[in-house]
Amino acid sequence: DSGVTQTPKHLITATGQRVTLRCSPRSGDLSVYWYQQSLDQGLQFLIQYYNGEERAKGNILERFSAQQFPDLHSELNLSSLELGDSALYFCASSLRGSSYNEQFFGPGTRLTVL
Amino acid sequence: DAKTTQPNSMESNEEEPVHLPCNHSTISGTDYIHWYRQLPSQGPEYVIHGLTSNVNNRMASLAIAEDRKSSTLILHRATLRDAAVYYCILRDVGNQFYFGTGTSLTVIP
Repeated sequence: DSGVTQTPKHLITATGQRVTLRCSPRSGDLSVYWYQQSLDQGLQFLIQYYNGEERAKGNILERFSAQQFPDLHSELNLSSLELGDSALYFCASSLRGSSYNEQFFGPGTRLTVL
Repeated sequence: DAKTTQPNSMESNEEEPVHLPCNHSTISGTDYIHWYRQLPSQGPEYVIHGLTSNVNNRMASLAIAEDRKSSTLILHRATLRDAAVYYCILRDVGNQFYFGTGTSLTVIP
């Protein structure tokens, strides 16, 4: 158990819909990262937040957005969903946001878009 | 983008050492080399990381070439629980984390 929690575990929805994935980092960690893992793209970094502020942006689509709240939990919002958005979404946290910090990954949310 | 190249798959006998190679010829001076592994149906798990010197921890050792264009993750005695996909990742000062396709390690009893 990494100490990072993600809800829900599974999500099934239809194309065009909007969903919100939630992540609670390990106690004391200030940085949260979001990743997408699909069969054809592998594990892709989406976005990082550090203490409420966006720190780094990866391959995140404009239809996707994220935020980190004052209690440090984070939400990833996915809108206008397409079939290709079906994937595992992982959240990770680290103590700080530096390139040498170890990241702790949550168990993931499996999103299925029908 | 900083990128890494790893073999798609490797096999090892149980209780034997395993050397997992990674090439990162475009590495810059400030990129850290991280290794993570992903067991089936789980999120990635940190293994080890380093910058220039070789590193050891309870899970593994990381050997970094002098020119830093390659590195090797060493599992000293493979167990069945080490069967996973191992990712070699470069992390730059922009905090981007680039996962490659990884090496799928099979441990043979």
